[in-house]
Amino acid sequence: NAGVMQNPRHLVRRRGQEARLRCSPMKGHSHVYWYRQLPEEGLKFMVYLQKENIIDESGMPKERFSAEFPKEGPSILRIQQVVRGDSAAYFCASSRPAGPVNEKLFFGSGTQLSVL
Amino acid sequence: AQSVTQPDIHITVSEGASLELRCNYSYGATPYLFWYVQSPGQGLQLLLKYFSGDTLVQGIKGFEAEFKRSQSSFNLRKPSVHWSDAAEYFCAVGSPSGSARQLTFGSGTQLTVLP
Repeated sequence: NAGVMQNPRHLVRRRGQEARLRCSPMKGHSHVYWYRQLPEEGLKFMVYLQKENIIDESGMPKERFSAEFPKEGPSILRIQQVVRGDSAAYFCASSRPAGPVNEKLFFGSGTQLSVL
Repeated sequence: AQSVTQPDIHITVSEGASLELRCNYSYGATPYLFWYVQSPGQGLQLLLKYFSGDTLVQGIKGFEAEFKRSQSSFNLRKPSVHWSDAAEYFCAVGSPSGSARQLTFGSGTQLTVLP
């Protein structure tokens, strides 16, 4: 029973390039969340998606960042025209549909993005 | 806005010693509180959570945490640390009006265990 799978583990991009981070949720999970961890900081919520729907993107930067969770395939976090400040660890989590008390997040191992 | 402070960036204890990791939160009401552990190269794993009721919460791996409203704290404890407990620990707060998904995390405490 595979957990939440993220790839790549490490991604190096030059300024101005695009970064695509992938997340495959646990089997049976239809909810996906993306968090970002900047150096020396805690994880910060970015976006919450269900299949083919963005439910809450209140934590997403207004420009250059987008996320999708298609009917088939992994969730993708896309960062266009990366800048050095985008360097961070990006974590994906998944869960089954549940109320707040019973909801449990399972986290992936993260993608470390380095922008040169 | 809710926030979480973990005042200790790094803690070192000897194997078998007791452990307490501090967590203070800022929130207008009683929040949902969580402790997660992250081992090297792994994702975060939930240790325990507090939503309501008994303020002393038992978690996995022998950990417990106590919610103290008067101190806005949710400190994590373990009576006897094992070498396998070496990891980074994150305290998190969530809003009861929202969902556990919109968690605010502290910056983490790195635990080193000496043999």
